[in-house]
Amino acid sequence: GAGVSQTPSNKVTEKGKYVELRCDPISGHTALYWYRQSLGQGPEFLIYFQGTGAADDSGLPNDRFFAVRPEGSVSTLKIQRTERGDSAVYLCASSPNRVSSGELFFGEGSRLTVL
Amino acid sequence: DQQVKQNSPSLSVQEGRISILNCDYTNSMFDYFLWYKKYPAEGPTFLISISSIKDKNEDGRFTVFLNKSAKHLSLHIVPSQPGDPAVYFCAASAGGDYKLSFGAGTTVTVRA
Repeated sequence: GAGVSQTPSNKVTEKGKYVELRCDPISGHTALYWYRQSLGQGPEFLIYFQGTGAADDSGLPNDRFFAVRPEGSVSTLKIQRTERGDSAVYLCASSPNRVSSGELFFGEGSRLTVL
Repeated sequence: DQQVKQNSPSLSVQEGRISILNCDYTNSMFDYFLWYKKYPAEGPTFLISISSIKDKNEDGRFTVFLNKSAKHLSLHIVPSQPGDPAVYFCAASAGGDYKLSFGAGTTVTVRA
């Protein structure tokens, strides 16, 4: 497809389990971002990739969260030892490069529910 | 620390009338402001933006106004249409930073 693709769209897991969320950005977009949207709030920045490297991971809440983008395209957000507070919609976005205008192209999100 | 605030969680407007969505920010370093629109089960989509060197930007039915001294911006939708119901997010960035700070959103409904 032409847009940002995220899988799974919904993930229900138990507390303490490991979860992976995948993002396939728009072809040719070098910049990739992960945001998290908790209930009743706006999206919050987690991490930014330029190419293969994590240029800024300052938004990751703790060391249970990790993200990779090994070939500069698809990215995976990994959450270890999930907690109920991790329940949220995880949004991936991409842009042609490090965009100064802030115009990002978002995917539909992966809704994570931790029981 | 919420740097971008949308104090009205919801707005109901009659079809054909003007919708005005408000947004306040606290970080004086913000110099670029955006509005995103989000339908249920979809990701946010970019709507309109404004740089701090301007006080108004217009695109079709959508106009964004920026009042830097008040640290306030607003989105005007004229006229409101049946396809407008969605959550509208205000967002801001500083110095060309890629990190956007979002407000909590305003849910717009349009009455026939």
